[in-house]
Amino acid sequence: AQKITQTQPGMFVQEKEAVTLDCTYDTSDPSYGLFWYKQPSSGEMIFLIYQGSYDQQNATEGRYSLNFQKARKSANLVISASQLGDSAMYFCAMGREKLTFGTGTRLTIIP
Amino acid sequence: DAGITQSPRHKVTETGTPVTLRCHQTENHRYMYWYRQDPGHGLRLIHYSYGVKDTDKGEVSDGYSVSRSKTEDFLLTLESATSSQTSVYFCAISVGTRRDEQFFGPGTRLTVL
Repeated sequence: AQKITQTQPGMFVQEKEAVTLDCTYDTSDPSYGLFWYKQPSSGEMIFLIYQGSYDQQNATEGRYSLNFQKARKSANLVISASQLGDSAMYFCAMGREKLTFGTGTRLTIIP
Repeated sequence: DAGITQSPRHKVTETGTPVTLRCHQTENHRYMYWYRQDPGHGLRLIHYSYGVKDTDKGEVSDGYSVSRSKTEDFLLTLESATSSQTSVYFCAISVGTRRDEQFFGPGTRLTVL
């Protein structure tokens, strides 16, 4: 069975600062993907970034990067230079085809 | 925009009535999924499909059935809705050569009274 743990239910960060959202996972599958999604108050699920378990380099997408540490089974999301529009729920997920999600972290950016 | 629509977007129904939610995609992706989102649980997989007439159960499939008679449509049916099925339902598709990246529809908010 797969399990995702997001230990930070809520975070407050000053605008323009970098923020790290924690995600640890557990799986016995040798091959898997790791994902981050953003869910603003409007409710849609927005795909942010993907990391394959065999990818050698950490994934980056604009201001988002995934700090993948396979031995520690962690896949933290780093948002550089946070903006007010980054305030949202953030979900970590893992799997191949069938995804398992964490319970999310509510990020609030303070002006 | 992954070309996914869900209908209806909002529905209120009564316990014991059947309900069907529709997910429609415009890009002929093979893999489609139904998730539900509840407070404190994140998203949980209900059913998924890997082709026309090919479906399988997810983590929380009890009380739900699905059908996929065309590539573009994936239907989720609650045969006899219960209050515990009050939730937000998301449809998703897999895209990309690795089939791993999933994009979600806008969601359907279902309330069972």
